[in-house]
Amino acid sequence: GAVVSQHPSWVICKSGTSVKIECRSLDFQATTMFWYRQFPKQSLMLMATSNEGSKATYEQGVEKDKFLINHASLTLSTLTVTSAHPEDSSFYICSAGTDFAEAFFGQGTRLTVV
Amino acid sequence: GQQLNQSPQSMFIQEGEDVSMNCTSSSIFNTWLWYKQDPGEGPVLLIALYKAGELTSNGRLTAQFGITRKDSFLNISASIPSDVGIYFCAGQRPGGDMRFGAGTRLTVKP
Repeated sequence: GAVVSQHPSWVICKSGTSVKIECRSLDFQATTMFWYRQFPKQSLMLMATSNEGSKATYEQGVEKDKFLINHASLTLSTLTVTSAHPEDSSFYICSAGTDFAEAFFGQGTRLTVV
Repeated sequence: GQQLNQSPQSMFIQEGEDVSMNCTSSSIFNTWLWYKQDPGEGPVLLIALYKAGELTSNGRLTAQFGITRKDSFLNISASIPSDVGIYFCAGQRPGGDMRFGAGTRLTVKP
């Protein structure tokens, strides 16, 4: 399958700071990238969908000013958690795909806000 | 986001036994996918199904895309300890938007 690289794998930050997570499709051009959040022992919850060059579409209940998504190129999308708080601690996973094929996942980023 | 109904939630089986899990939805999907997730990792695609009624195998794994396009099942035959993990179904709409089941946590006792 295609390779999607997510960085960093884990990050610890202080409350009130911002954290940026990168998602790169290494061997294909992704027209669409998705950002998910996963709490322990739970399924993946879609946060937002981003298409290259346009604004992300956020799921209901997801604060777009808190979770900033940028999809500047066909191979890179970033998620910035702004003014992070302990309740933002979670496992964040991106996936990248094209319109007519299945999406592939990054390895995830574990965010811990202290 | 809207989730799929996946069952069972968890399974504890002996090595060598067969496993079956399924997903249902009130919505129609164009593609059904089955993923496995190990702790601390992103999900890895196991099987993708593109046509209603399609039955696809990948080694000891077999999955089917339901005729109504609202359900799918995954079977694992002759389970082994490395099958341990969480299995997720996902339905995909045109444009790539995916919705996930809650997951089936599989434990295999040697």
